[in-house]
Amino acid sequence: DVKVTQSSRYLVKRTGEKVFLECVQDMDHENMFWYRQDPGLGLRLIYFSYDVKMKEKGDIPEGYSVSREKKERFSLILESASTNQTSMYLCASSLKLYRSYEQYFGPGTRLTVT
Amino acid sequence: AQSVAQPEDQVKVAEGNPLTVKCTYSVSGNPYLFWYVQYPNRGLQFLLKYITGDNLVKGSYGFEAEFNKSQTSFHLKKPSALVSDSALYFCAVRDPHASNTGKLIFGQGTTLQVKP
Repeated sequence: DVKVTQSSRYLVKRTGEKVFLECVQDMDHENMFWYRQDPGLGLRLIYFSYDVKMKEKGDIPEGYSVSREKKERFSLILESASTNQTSMYLCASSLKLYRSYEQYFGPGTRLTVT
Repeated sequence: AQSVAQPEDQVKVAEGNPLTVKCTYSVSGNPYLFWYVQYPNRGLQFLLKYITGDNLVKGSYGFEAEFNKSQTSFHLKKPSALVSDSALYFCAVRDPHASNTGKLIFGQGTTLQVKP
């Protein structure tokens, strides 16, 4: 089974802090994704990566950056956390294989910024 | 613009009755479609996908989905609902403009409530 793990289930940070969210997958997937999930807004893509050191902006990249130094690890960075970044953050990965586009998700990190 | 719509925020059914969660899509080219389920405080779990072939796709936990090209729909169904099926359901479609990256476009989600 594919396993995607996220470093924390719950996180509380203060406004202005630098926040790191880590995601690790164990299935050698090329693609990795960061989403945030808010009630009534569904899943919104923040950033994704289709290879080591490669990244592309998603729909809402402002206030976030990412790092992918190793294939299995994809980090989301909040440079200076703000209260409007309080949300559930979901990481996902998928295989770069024709007709195999399903994404596998981690359990999520619920971040509260006070 | 490529998009996915789930027209119902919430669906309520009685246990034992059939359930349908609706999804419509708008994408260029052949659609690759997915359904996911999310239980409270958990990540999304993959249920099933349609890539090509038979319009009726069977997935996990007794769910199935019917692809209808003329109506651009991909509704999720189950013949007999269980209370444990109560969850948030997401429909998704592959972004045809980013096909080599595996990017998906998700609907807003539908909350399914199954009453005993």
